[in-house]
Amino acid sequence: QKEVEQNSGPLSVPEGAIASLNCTYSDRGSQSFFWYRQYSGKSPELIMSIYSNGDKEDGRFTAQLNKASQYVSLLIRDSQPSDSATYLCAVAQPGGYQKVTFGTGTKLQVIP
Amino acid sequence: DTEVTQTPKHLVMGMTNKKSLKCEQHMGHRAMYWYKQKAKKPPELMFVYSYEKLSINESVPSRFSPECPNSSLLNLHLHALQPEDSALYLCASSQAQDNYGYTFGSGTRLTVV
Repeated sequence: QKEVEQNSGPLSVPEGAIASLNCTYSDRGSQSFFWYRQYSGKSPELIMSIYSNGDKEDGRFTAQLNKASQYVSLLIRDSQPSDSATYLCAVAQPGGYQKVTFGTGTKLQVIP
Repeated sequence: DTEVTQTPKHLVMGMTNKKSLKCEQHMGHRAMYWYKQKAKKPPELMFVYSYEKLSINESVPSRFSPECPNSSLLNLHLHALQPEDSALYLCASSQAQDNYGYTFGSGTRLTVV
């Protein structure tokens, strides 16, 4: 069974600090990796995607992928209280719309 | 237009009712999805449509019936639901040929009484 593992948290960081969110996955054939942010009572919102080993930066967000270790992470720099949400890691198999497996999410709390 | 629109936002229905959830997108996406999400759980895939054809049914009970009338619309018909079917129902869309991630609608909060 394909699994995506995340620490459920909550992960508490002070405002302005770096938040580090981690995710491991079991299927070595996985090719596409995503981070979604979900505020309480709202729907998930795509914030980062990464497809190759290394780092990908977008504003205050950096996604890191290590396929050999089957590990993907999300760094949020200069964390703001508005970043407080649940962050879902999602992993997709090769090819188009193929099924995406979501992790259970990590709840992030940014303390003012 | 970069939105996926779901209606209604909230729905309360009895176990003998028939209702429908609607989803619409105008991003040119040819893959559309229904997900179910219970509190504090990740989204759980129900159905995938690709080019208006049902591609994946995750062994969903027949009381849930999906329909894709055209490339922009996706419906989920509900009949004889159980209280345990109460959840947030999410519609999403994406490119069909490459997975660049989903755009989710705001969801329908369903309560079965």
